[in-house]
Amino acid sequence: DQQVKQNSPSLSVQEGRISILNCDYTNSMFDYFLWYKKYPAEGPTFLISISSIKDKNEDGRFTVFLNKSAKHLSLHIVPSQPGDSAVYFCAASEWVNTGNQFYFGTGTSLTVIP
Amino acid sequence: SQTIHQWPATLVQPVGSPLSLECTVEGTSNPNLYWYRQAAGRGLQLLFYSVGIGQISSEVPQNLSASRPQDRQFILSSKKLLLSDSGFYLCALSQPPVYGYTFGSGTRLTVV
Repeated sequence: DQQVKQNSPSLSVQEGRISILNCDYTNSMFDYFLWYKKYPAEGPTFLISISSIKDKNEDGRFTVFLNKSAKHLSLHIVPSQPGDSAVYFCAASEWVNTGNQFYFGTGTSLTVIP
Repeated sequence: SQTIHQWPATLVQPVGSPLSLECTVEGTSNPNLYWYRQAAGRGLQLLFYSVGIGQISSEVPQNLSASRPQDRQFILSSKKLLLSDSGFYLCALSQPPVYGYTFGSGTRLTVV
């Protein structure tokens, strides 16, 4: 059963506009959330994260918002650039007895149109 | 900095053949190591994780196995591949207490 869900498999946005990628989760014990970006034929790379004690984290053009009551996470990219075209994975973690356990969504493929 | 070397990048294997995927780590010691698989339409599924040499935990029952013969080496194996083993396999490391993973470049396995 997917504990982290990305319900939009793909998204197309015009260059310069805002891209909003969404992620929902079911486990209220998750205490850390991350976004990864993946180009074809490469492994995912870390993009931005947020702790469950915050509701917003910003890093340049990337902002992650966390709504704990709705169990919803979103990534905003402003302004979107063609180089942002990639697959974005949402991930959540919880502490288990062996360390942090991570759960990943299925990914959203973002296409930024020049 | 931490780096992961994973090979091969692509692999086509017949059903019933054996498998060995290798992952090696540089720039860190005693990492937690993971094997993930991304199957079509599904998220990254954790297959195995290791917190040290010879210590392997399996998350899902399957015909795959993993071994960690050295601190910086993690191997994914199978004696007989199934069609359902096709997918994109990623090796990853984490270094608690730092959050997040460093991923390898992945192996695209197609079982025919």
